[in-house]
Amino acid sequence: DADVTQTPRNRITKTGKRIMLECSQTKGHDRMYWYRQDPGLGLRLIYYSFDVKDINKGEISDGYSVSRQAQAKFSLSLESAIPNQTALYFCATSDWDGQPQYFGAGTRLSVL
Amino acid sequence: SQQGEEDPQALSIQEGENATMNCSYKTSINNLQWYRQNSGRGLVHLILIRSNEREKHSGRLRVTLDTSKKSSSLLITASRAADTASYFCATATTSGTYKYIFGTGTRLKVLA
Repeated sequence: DADVTQTPRNRITKTGKRIMLECSQTKGHDRMYWYRQDPGLGLRLIYYSFDVKDINKGEISDGYSVSRQAQAKFSLSLESAIPNQTALYFCATSDWDGQPQYFGAGTRLSVL
Repeated sequence: SQQGEEDPQALSIQEGENATMNCSYKTSINNLQWYRQNSGRGLVHLILIRSNEREKHSGRLRVTLDTSKKSSSLLITASRAADTASYFCATATTSGTYKYIFGTGTRLKVLA
């Protein structure tokens, strides 16, 4: 089983819909991250969490919210999806500041 | 804005040749990491080099870091078709809250 699991793997939704992307990990790491990847732009940080009570905005948090339900679970929500949120979304974990990150397989989201 | 910028954006070589890609960044860093991403998949950590290190090796990978020039290079020796992927550098910085900043990536294609 993968160390970092993202669900769903693919999702097509309509403008205005609320959608949640889920991430769970078995690494035992405190630090969890959500990124989005767009062609030619690399990865951009949406939100990150250092523990259950510590959630921080990243570079592009507008239009997104997160919930850290437990050490192992970190969810990303789009409250009202819009087409320019069509992208590949990745969850990642690390065990300490600056240490290597472990990525999930990604969720490909299309907003029509 | 992206801290890391990889060069070249795309690289095509024959199997057995060496591949070199470069990364430039803008601010002081604690370490720099290289990741590989196969098409549409999650990123996989390859190697980490600390700011006080100048060179590091891992198998067929050689990474150099020049903090005075704020640049790093990744050399893949004796490339294989399986090395075909996108390669990203990521800087870990304590400028503000500790976080990672990814570059835009180099797409490597190794021809059999």
